[in-house]
Amino acid sequence: AQRVTQPEKLLSVFKGAPVELKCNYSYSGSPELFWYVQYSRQRLQLLLRHISRESIKGFTADLNKGETSFHLKKPFAQEEDSAMYYCALSSYRNTGKLIFGQGTTLQVKP
Amino acid sequence: GAVVSQHPSWVICKSGTSVKIECRSLDFQATTMFWYRQFPKQSLMLMATSNEGSKATYEQGVEKDKFLINHASLTLSTLTVTSAHPEDSSFYICSASPEGVHEKLFFGSGTQLSVL
Repeated sequence: AQRVTQPEKLLSVFKGAPVELKCNYSYSGSPELFWYVQYSRQRLQLLLRHISRESIKGFTADLNKGETSFHLKKPFAQEEDSAMYYCALSSYRNTGKLIFGQGTTLQVKP
Repeated sequence: GAVVSQHPSWVICKSGTSVKIECRSLDFQATTMFWYRQFPKQSLMLMATSNEGSKATYEQGVEKDKFLINHASLTLSTLTVTSAHPEDSSFYICSASPEGVHEKLFFGSGTQLSVL
């Protein structure tokens, strides 16, 4: 079964501390993995996707097929990073049809 | 950037009535739109894929007669919750892509439905 798991509902860190938001997936084919972010009172928006291998706002995520993980990392958290983060998965054939994880709230304290 | 407008932002209705939610792509055409549902403190669950000019594709467990989807134009998809009941109360979100690829997937701001 296709599934995305984010084990932490809430992650609270101090400003300047490293951040790692965990994401594990279960998928039989070749998945595409994404991280979406939702800032307070704003709509969901794409943060990054594994294919592009880019760094957005200092965040990176590496797809580890062996561990079926796609953890989101940032070396130094900023207060403006506080938001809800969703890991999501889709297949190459069903673009736009996303399976979301439960979401992790990141709280960066001053 | 591209914008997806969703209306209304919130709606309260009596049990047994029907509610229509609109999803519009404001500055691009979308042959495909997606409808999600989110319960409090839970993840977004895909309900259906809305296809312009053809029938929607529903996910397993979603009642197509309960959640009517119409995608009559390239910029508008509507979700109608028919004969709403309190268990239908939820946050409904639509998304659309200008070119049918998810790297340009944009989300609406969502509609909070409360059924009394």
